[in-house]
Amino acid sequence: GAVVSQHPSWVICKSGTSVKIECRSLDFQATTMFWYRQFPKQSLMLMATSNEGSKATYEQGVEKDKFLINHASLTLSTLTVTSAHPEDSSFYICSARDPRDSFDQPQHFGDGTRLSIL
Amino acid sequence: AQSVTQPDIHITVSEGASLELRCNYSYGATPYLFWYVQSPGQGLQLLLKYFSGDTLVQGIKGFEAEFKRSQSSFNLRKPSVHWSDAAEYFCAVGPFGNEKLTFGTGTRLTIIP
Repeated sequence: GAVVSQHPSWVICKSGTSVKIECRSLDFQATTMFWYRQFPKQSLMLMATSNEGSKATYEQGVEKDKFLINHASLTLSTLTVTSAHPEDSSFYICSARDPRDSFDQPQHFGDGTRLSIL
Repeated sequence: AQSVTQPDIHITVSEGASLELRCNYSYGATPYLFWYVQSPGQGLQLLLKYFSGDTLVQGIKGFEAEFKRSQSSFNLRKPSVHWSDAAEYFCAVGPFGNEKLTFGTGTRLTIIP
């Protein structure tokens, strides 16, 4: 079963509204989670690293005020797209690594959230 | 800086035919390499990974990949494809023990009867 869960899986909203996407680690505690963005028919680009109890680390070119990340607990990170516009429409995927896994084990990805801004 | 190149944007093969998807990487240290598959509108599924050891790695669904350090390549292969293999395939590289991955642009695989 899925060890990283994203909610919602699909959201449609009007331009100018804010949208929150949740990423939960279901059976492990994740001090670090990662948020990726995937444009249609393109690759995944790392947006930011979400750190529990501290500020997120954003990749170059990602607007911090546009994409707010909160990692308030060891099992939940949220990505809020503020004042969303059609160009923010995309597929957002989170990932996390189970600290109990050995170092040669990869991270776990959520199933993604498709965001459509009208 | 690390980078991944997947030269083939789209590949079409007949069902039952063999498949090879190319991946070239650029990385300053020993790379940690992955192949993921993504069906339309879905998340990522890990096919296989490589960090060290035998350079030919076996994955799920009958896939395998060969790491060639001299060519900076990590090509994915399957001897006989099935219609259900139609999907987008991503090669990724990252440092061992660190989760920040760099993905290639992906190769879309179409299977024809």
